[in-house]
Amino acid sequence: NAGVTQTPKFQVLKTGQSMTLQCAQDMNHNSMYWYRQDPGMGLRLIYYSASEGTTDKGEVPNGYNVSRLNKREFSLRLESAAPSQTSVYFCASGGLAANTGELFFGEGSRLTVL
Amino acid sequence: GQQVMQIPQYQHVQEGEDFTTYCNSSTTLSNIQWYKQRPGGHPVFLIQLVKSGEVKKQKRLTFQFGEAKKNSSLHITATQTTDVGTYFCAGPNKRANNLFFGTGTRLTVIP
Repeated sequence: NAGVTQTPKFQVLKTGQSMTLQCAQDMNHNSMYWYRQDPGMGLRLIYYSASEGTTDKGEVPNGYNVSRLNKREFSLRLESAAPSQTSVYFCASGGLAANTGELFFGEGSRLTVL
Repeated sequence: GQQVMQIPQYQHVQEGEDFTTYCNSSTTLSNIQWYKQRPGGHPVFLIQLVKSGEVKKQKRLTFQFGEAKKNSSLHITATQTTDVGTYFCAGPNKRANNLFFGTGTRLTVIP
């Protein structure tokens, strides 16, 4: 089992460029999440999807869009990248709800916006 | 809004010394989870505490959940170099659709 797989692992963008981070899980989880991690600020939720076909905003959704393509896949899109979006992005999946079980994280995608 | 704070932010210990990190929530939590992130790695789940006053042990690690379910601690006895990393606590919001992570405590173990 691969668990949670994210691509790409590294990406450098210029301001204004767009890109999509891909995430897939093979654990049959309903819920999937996108977090960003910045130094000294822990992990902050960008968007989440409680089930296939639904998505909701987290703490810091501005500048991002998401798509829950099917139960396995949850992508994060930056339409017009800004330097403030330089960060490490983690996709995670879990059980029915975050309060009933652990989250499984992907290995992360390190994004630099110049 | 809901906040989860952790102290200290950094901790350097000599190998063999004990280590403790504290987590405090601005609201009562239904449960609290702990994660470990190795340098350059991703967060990995360690444990979940649910009951008021609960204490759980994993080898040299002892986890506590406060009586009021607003604070928690992780204590490592006799640290080893393999304990290096950042330890995060996390608690769900009231709607149970988000896990709020603390700011983390970065542990360095000096051989």
